[in-house]
Amino acid sequence: GAGVSQSPSNKVTEKGKDVELRCDPISGHTALYWYRQSLGQGLEFLIYFQGNSAPDKSGLPSDRFSAERTGGSVSTLTIQRTQQEDSAVYLCASSPDGGVGQYFGPGTRLTVT
Amino acid sequence: QKEVEQNSGPLSVPEGAIASLNCTYSDRGSQSFFWYRQYSGKSPELIMSIYSNGDKEDGRFTAQLNKASQYVSLLIRDSQPSDSATYLCAGPQRADSWGKLQFGAGTQVVVTP
Repeated sequence: GAGVSQSPSNKVTEKGKDVELRCDPISGHTALYWYRQSLGQGLEFLIYFQGNSAPDKSGLPSDRFSAERTGGSVSTLTIQRTQQEDSAVYLCASSPDGGVGQYFGPGTRLTVT
Repeated sequence: QKEVEQNSGPLSVPEGAIASLNCTYSDRGSQSFFWYRQYSGKSPELIMSIYSNGDKEDGRFTAQLNKASQYVSLLIRDSQPSDSATYLCAGPQRADSWGKLQFGAGTQVVVTP
């Protein structure tokens, strides 16, 4: 079946612009996660959605970052007033439920110039 | 102290040999663990899940969990050059935060022909 999809695959933006990154999870998966990974670094947790519960936003690095998940499916990560340090690969993952293995999308490579 | 720790490597393994990767964790209440493989420039791929003490085998991969000693390991038998990748260990960040995973920094494995 279809895996997790993300768009765009690459995004180049100027410092100070806003960007939106999209994630389509695997159908039927109730849990959705956003991570980012800087070059040569580990995974940094950003936010976690589980069903209709309030999202766990504890990993968002600043109030410039926000995310929403509409209809329990598609999620959008928004970064306002982008900074060069926001440059990274943003990864989305989904799982059938919390506590089980997560399946990652291909990521969006964000470059802020 | 990091929640999940791994040796960064690189771990150099001759083709056909067994690669042994280890991961330690700090939260005694952690219940489930996962191993991911990440090729350079790609997103992590779930390869093993383990939920109970002991061994779990899947093809050339064996995951081992020892809750008393708080470590989880991955063995790759008959290593192939295609196994060259970074292997990430992941476990629940907190036992009461079932859905979130804490990822280790990853161990780079290089299989030499």
